[in-house]
Amino acid sequence: SQQGEEDPQALSIQEGENATMNCSYKTSINNLQWYRQNSGRGLVHLILIRSNEREKHSGRLRVTLDTSKKSSSLLITASRAADTASYFCAFGGNTPLVFGKGTRLSVIA
Amino acid sequence: NAGVMQNPRHLVRRRGQEARLRCSPVKGHSHVYWYRQLPEEGLKFMVYLQKENIIDESGMPKERFSAEFPKEGPSILRIQQVVRGDSAAYFCASSPGTARGYEQYFGPGTRLTVT
Repeated sequence: SQQGEEDPQALSIQEGENATMNCSYKTSINNLQWYRQNSGRGLVHLILIRSNEREKHSGRLRVTLDTSKKSSSLLITASRAADTASYFCAFGGNTPLVFGKGTRLSVIA
Repeated sequence: NAGVMQNPRHLVRRRGQEARLRCSPVKGHSHVYWYRQLPEEGLKFMVYLQKENIIDESGMPKERFSAEFPKEGPSILRIQQVVRGDSAAYFCASSPGTARGYEQYFGPGTRLTVT
């Protein structure tokens, strides 16, 4: 299966702590993207990292990509209750985006 | 700037009926993607369309499902003779270019319930 896998499946942290989610994939990719989905809502694009990039920042988000290990991580610093959501990695190669099953993040105030 | 619009947001159909899901992409986007999401699951790709053409339908069931993206008007995902297993959230996304290098903008989804 080409599906990505996020780890952990669920994560619960206190407000202010950092949250790290990982994603592994099996095929070669052109880019890897992270999306957030609030319960019952559509997906919101967070960040795109290309295969020739190793790290990218956007506000409190930091994404790394290791193509040799076929893995990526998403770090959310200084988490807030509003960060509570499911986070999906998705990768694009020669086919449309393939999504993992997601990490459910709960940030407790 | 309007994002991706989907309607209806919720759709209830009895087994055997037809479901029509509509998607209006971001203005200027000519690439549309349909995904299905089951509870507690990630999104599964169904079909990728460019104006008037189906580019990739490898994720769409061969029977009962069809999709179109006409020159004028929204993209339509059509499910004939729905069954309970079709109950899911269906998301549409659009992008200005091919999937390789562009982020996809997602609509709010249509939640289909088959009774």
